[in-house]
Amino acid sequence: EDQVTQSPEALRLQEGESSSLNCSYTVSGLRGLFWYRQDPGKGPEFLFTLYSAGEEKEKERLKATLTKKESFLHITAPKPEDSATYLCAVVDNAGNMLTFGGGTRLMVKP
Amino acid sequence: NAGVMQNPRHLVRRRGQEARLRCSPMKGHSHVYWYRQLPEEGLKFMVYLQKENIIDESGMPKERFSAEFPKEGPSILRIQQVVRGDSAAYFCASSRRQGGNSEQYFGPGTRLTVT
Repeated sequence: EDQVTQSPEALRLQEGESSSLNCSYTVSGLRGLFWYRQDPGKGPEFLFTLYSAGEEKEKERLKATLTKKESFLHITAPKPEDSATYLCAVVDNAGNMLTFGGGTRLMVKP
Repeated sequence: NAGVMQNPRHLVRRRGQEARLRCSPMKGHSHVYWYRQLPEEGLKFMVYLQKENIIDESGMPKERFSAEFPKEGPSILRIQQVVRGDSAAYFCASSRRQGGNSEQYFGPGTRLTVT
C-alpha cells in the first residue's frame, strides 16, 4: 500500500524567511509525484508534477525536487499570500488515483 | 476557460435522505475522479470513471455509495440513506489522460452536512 508522510504538520515563517517542506513516500513503482496548494474552503490547486529522481520544477517562489524516497518543496522569501496547506500526492504504476499525505499548513506572518 | 465545476457547493441532508453531487470536468477531459476529505483527515480516493465506465471503485464504501459518468451530462456521486459519518467535503477532479500520466485538476468541492 502506498504511503505518503508530510512534515512538518504546521510551519510558521516570517515574511522573507525561506524554508522547505518534506514529503516522504513509499510506493510500489512511482509513476508521478504531485504537489498541490489548498486554501481553506477550496479545492486543491495543482502546482507541480515530478516523474523521476533528480527532477526539479520551479514556479515563482516555489521549487520542487525529487529523490527516490522523498520530495521537497522549497519556498524562497515567502509572502503572506503563500499561506496555505501544501499537499503532496503520488500515483503508482498499478493505479490512477492520487494517494495524499496529510499536508503541511504554512503560515507566513508579515 | 472554465475549470472543474461542482454543484451544489453546500448540501444539507437529514439522516436517511439521499445526496446527489454533480461534477462537470474541464473541457477536453474525459477522466473523472472523486475524493473525500473527512474533518481533520486527508483526501482519500473514492472512484475513477471515464464516460459510461467505472474504471476503479476500490475506495468506495461497499454500501449506499454509487457513481456514474453518463455519455451526456455531468458525473454524479450518489449517497443513499446518509448518516452523520458521511459529513465531509467531496472533491471531483478531472484529467486529460489517465491519472499519473496527467495532472488532475480539482473542483471547489461540495460540503455535505448530515443533520
